[in-house]
Amino acid sequence: DSGVTQTPKHLITATGQRVTLRCSPRSGDLSVYWYQQSLDQGLQFLIQYYNGEERAKGNILERFSAQQFPDLHSELNLSSLELGDSALYFCASSAVAGGPAGELFFGEGSRLTVL
Amino acid sequence: AQKVTQAQTEISVVEKEDVTLDCVYETRDTTYYLFWYKQPPSGELVFLIRRNSFDEQNEISGRYSWNFQKSTSSFNFTITASQVVDSAVYFCALTSGIIQGAQKLVFGQGTRLTINP
Repeated sequence: DSGVTQTPKHLITATGQRVTLRCSPRSGDLSVYWYQQSLDQGLQFLIQYYNGEERAKGNILERFSAQQFPDLHSELNLSSLELGDSALYFCASSAVAGGPAGELFFGEGSRLTVL
Repeated sequence: AQKVTQAQTEISVVEKEDVTLDCVYETRDTTYYLFWYKQPPSGELVFLIRRNSFDEQNEISGRYSWNFQKSTSSFNFTITASQVVDSAVYFCALTSGIIQGAQKLVFGQGTRLTINP
């Protein structure tokens, strides 16, 4: 158990819909990361938040947005869903704010299926 | 641009055999960090090791060992006396250019390792 909690574990929805994935980081971790794992793209970095502020951005679509709340949990919002958005979405957390790269602790993922 | 290549898509061996997973990386940064993660059938990603670019010492942890060679930009992972529980997808990853805590892990495509009894 990494200590990172993601909900829901599974989600099935239709094209054009909007969903929200939730992540609670490990106790004390200030950084939250979102990754997408799909068959064709592999594991891709989407976005990182540190203590409520966006810190790094990857290949995140404009239809996707994220935020980190004062209690440090994070939400990833996916809208106007397309079939190609079907993937496993991971949240990870770390304590590192600067300096050497820290170990990322990954949650179990939220599997999104768009029909 | 940074890139991680895991040329072996799938490997299948019989239990107790030794197996090496290859990882080749590309980066222009002089300071970078390499990682290996394991993804068992249950789906979560489990951290195995982190190595920084200034430390080329090989590391051994039980049946696991890692060989980091900057000259060939490789960070290979060897499992000695493999066991069925080692069956998983293994990912090599790279991060560099860390500024103010911003950290983007670039993952390889993964190697699916199957250990047969």
